Amino acid sequence: GENVEQHPSTLSVQEGDSAVIKCTYSDSASNYFPWYKQELGKGPQLIIDIRSNVGEKKDQRIAVTLNKTAKHFSLHITETQPEDSAVYFCAASPGTASKLTFGTGTRLQVTL
Amino acid sequence: DAGITQSPRHKVTETGTPVTLRCHQTENHRYMYWYRQDPGHGLRLIHYSYGVKDTDKGEVSDGYSVSRSKTEDFLLTLESATSSQTSVYFCAIRSSEGTDTQYFGPGTRLTVL
Repeated sequence: GENVEQHPSTLSVQEGDSAVIKCTYSDSASNYFPWYKQELGKGPQLIIDIRSNVGEKKDQRIAVTLNKTAKHFSLHITETQPEDSAVYFCAASPGTASKLTFGTGTRLQVTL
Repeated sequence: DAGITQSPRHKVTETGTPVTLRCHQTENHRYMYWYRQDPGHGLRLIHYSYGVKDTDKGEVSDGYSVSRSKTEDFLLTLESATSSQTSVYFCAIRSSEGTDTQYFGPGTRLTVL
């Protein structure tokens, strides 16, 4: 089955700096890659996603890049703000019943 | 929350007792999922449903069963709870046909003593 690895497990940046979180996947059949943000005590919230026919997608301060050949994808957050502090999860899906395999999460802390 | 509610939100139970968690959605989504979240493991799929009475296993299905007798409700049952099933359980729905996007409910924190 699919295996998703996520790095780093923790990341501390200063407000205004950029943050990058990286994930690799193992199943070449995976074609959908969402990113979720989870705040304490809440369920994961979808923040951006990308499909395998696209190399990059951007939404305001958030962008995701995908390298199918290398089987890795990354989340980029620019101009970080304190409210970006949360745990971020990447995931991959082969599209079959949309079953998601998640990475182990990155705790992002944005300091003033 | 995409119209997803989970109940109970918190539960403490003892080893060996049966436990049922409920996921309720109000928007007639066909696909529903149960995940568990544990430190160091991210979220892992337990079971999912692709319609009324249509269910299938996920990655960590041992010790769990599910039922879906109505479109809006997806139940997760631990027949005989064990301490290893202490976790936070999340329900999710797939937003529509032709998309893989999943939205999650608020979660149920289950403690098995």
